[in-house]
Amino acid sequence: GENVEQHPSTLSVQEGDSAVIKCTYSDSASNYFPWYKQELGKRPQLIIDIRSNVGEKKDQRIAVTLNKTAKHFSLHITETQPEDSAVYFCAASTSNEKLTFGTGTRLTIIP
Amino acid sequence: GAVVSQHPSWVICKSGTSVKIECRSLDFQATTMFWYRQFPKQSLMLMATSNEGSKATYEQGVEKDKFLINHASLTLSTLTVTSAHPEDSSFYICSPLTGTDTQYFGPGTRLTVL
Repeated sequence: GENVEQHPSTLSVQEGDSAVIKCTYSDSASNYFPWYKQELGKRPQLIIDIRSNVGEKKDQRIAVTLNKTAKHFSLHITETQPEDSAVYFCAASTSNEKLTFGTGTRLTIIP
Repeated sequence: GAVVSQHPSWVICKSGTSVKIECRSLDFQATTMFWYRQFPKQSLMLMATSNEGSKATYEQGVEKDKFLINHASLTLSTLTVTSAHPEDSSFYICSPLTGTDTQYFGPGTRLTVL
């Protein structure tokens, strides 16, 4: 089955700087890669996703890159703000199948 | 995104009792429902996949006789934790398959077993 690794497990960034979280996956058949943000006690919220036919996707301050050959994808948050503090999870799946999650990254934005 | 509700949002029960968690898809028909479990400070782990009108498929290590899943209609799936024990205390989250790749999650149910 699919195995997703995520690094780092914790990340502290000065407000206004950029944050990068990286994930690798094992199953070359995976073709869908979402990123979720989870605040304490709440459900994961989808913030951005990318499909295997695309190398990069951007939505305002958030971007995701995908390298299919190397089987890794990354989340980039620019101009970080205190409200970006949360736990972020990457995930991978094949179309319409179950998600396999990474272990999570606790992001702290230092004011 | 898809609108999903879960009930109850939190529950405290005594060891040995059973707890039923309901997951409803409010604005679409979900033929497939994923049930995840998340222990404190850990990631989400898939427990089982249920399909409307058929038996659920459980992930390795998940006891099907302990975690009963019923998906009797296209808008309702239930998870019953039978004979709950403190180690079952967790955050249980459902996620319906919407027909696209995108998966949305219910608000979750926090179960505490005393």
